[in-house]
Amino acid sequence: EAEVAQSPRYKITEKSQAVAFWCDPISGHATLYWYRQILGQGPELLVQFQDESVVDDSQLPKDRFSAERLKGVDSTLKIQPAELGDSAMYLCASSFGPDSKETQYFGPGTRLLVL
Amino acid sequence: QKEVEQNSGPLSVPEGAIASLNCTYSDRVSQSFFWYRQYSGKSPELIMSIYSNGDKEDGRFTAQLNKASQYVSLLIRDSQPSDSATYLCAVKVTDSWGKFQFGAGTQVVVTP
Repeated sequence: EAEVAQSPRYKITEKSQAVAFWCDPISGHATLYWYRQILGQGPELLVQFQDESVVDDSQLPKDRFSAERLKGVDSTLKIQPAELGDSAMYLCASSFGPDSKETQYFGPGTRLLVL
Repeated sequence: QKEVEQNSGPLSVPEGAIASLNCTYSDRVSQSFFWYRQYSGKSPELIMSIYSNGDKEDGRFTAQLNKASQYVSLLIRDSQPSDSATYLCAVKVTDSWGKFQFGAGTQVVVTP
């Protein structure tokens, strides 16, 4: 069964360092989502791609976060510099397209701890 | 006011009983509704999707949708200890590239 791949699974870093997360969506899925989930809360959308284009980054803290999906396949989310408040689970999800009945499938997530 | 609201929980349910989870949403252009289950430390996994008013059953799970009341619910029949998890309600807003909006989740604890 096709799955969304993410790496690393766990990351510990110090405040002010740079971190990067990688996501490979299910083959053929044009829509890719990056979420941040803080313990006890639901996932919060950071950025959404349709193919290689960003279609929603309204909640992305652009002073420190960046995301790219250069060839419309895999994607990288970067934080520089990391802050203590960035400690959270970072989830990547993909869907076939933006159609209303297309659901999204999540990868295993990256748990980030900033010290 | 949050766009998707769920019961705060935790919801304690005896084994074998019915767990009832509720979700309300504020965006009237919402077209599709999803329930995800999330075990502690894991990522969400899809349980049910529902698009039309009424009930949809899948095994022990039943989703109910009432668009006029902007309400969607999930029933878990014959609850098992393995059902202990957080249940996330998600709404897909189709006028914005298919953005998903999530509730905060309801934690369900099934007690033997």
